[in-house]
Amino acid sequence: GDSVTQMEGPVTLSEEAFLTINCTYTATGYPSLFWYVQYPGEGLQLLLKATKADDKGSNKGFEATYRKETTSFHLEKGSVQVSDSAVYFCALSFLSSGSARQLTFGSGTQLTVLP
Amino acid sequence: DTGVSQNPRHKITKRGQNVTFRCDPISEHNRLYWYRQTLGQGPEFLTYFQNEAQLEKSRLLSDRFSAERPKGSFSTLEIQRTEQGDSAMYLCASSPGRELRSSYNEQFFGPGTRLTVL
Repeated sequence: GDSVTQMEGPVTLSEEAFLTINCTYTATGYPSLFWYVQYPGEGLQLLLKATKADDKGSNKGFEATYRKETTSFHLEKGSVQVSDSAVYFCALSFLSSGSARQLTFGSGTQLTVLP
Repeated sequence: DTGVSQNPRHKITKRGQNVTFRCDPISEHNRLYWYRQTLGQGPEFLTYFQNEAQLEKSRLLSDRFSAERPKGSFSTLEIQRTEQGDSAMYLCASSPGRELRSSYNEQFFGPGTRLTVL
C-alpha cells in the first residue's frame, strides 16, 4: 500500500539555521504531496503542497520540490525562527475532482528552534 | 468562520464502555474525514463522507466503530465496547467539494478529541 517515510526526530536547531526534513514515499501512480504542520495545542494545518512532478510548493519561507525520480519531497527552510517550532508531517494523497481522498501521513518530525 | 470544531476535547472512559464524539465541519464543506492519531505517529485515515454518504472506510474501522453524518452537516463517531488500544487522538477534517471549483480542496483539521481508555 501507499506509505510515507520521514526523517525521525526530534530535530533541534538554533535560530537562523538551515532546515531540512527528509520525506520519501511509496505509491502506485503519481500522488499529490503535502507538508502539514502542527503547532503546540493546535490542529494540523496545510503548510504547502505539490500536485505533480517537479512542482515546488512554498509557504512562509518553507519549500519542497516533488522529485519523481527519487520519490522524495524534502522540506527546507533557509533560516528557521523560534516560531517554527512544531511537528511537521509529510503526506500523500490521490486527488479526485480536486479533493483528496484519504491522506497518508508520515510519523512526523518534532522541530525545536532555540533562540 | 469558526473552523472545524470537535467535542468533547478530552474523554476518559473505562474499558467496555461506549463513547461518541462529534465533529462540526466548516459551513458548506461537503466532505468530512475522520482520522486517528496515536502518540508519536501521524494521523491514520478512518473514513470519509461526501454529504451524508459514507464513501470510504479504512480497515482500521472495526465493527466496534461506526460513523454517521445524517444530514450532511455534523458527524458522529461512536466506539462500542472500548478497548485500551482505542486510546488515541481522533481528528476530524472537512473540505469543500467540487462545486467551489478550487484547484485543490484543502482539508481543514479540527483540534481533535483525545480518548483515554482505562
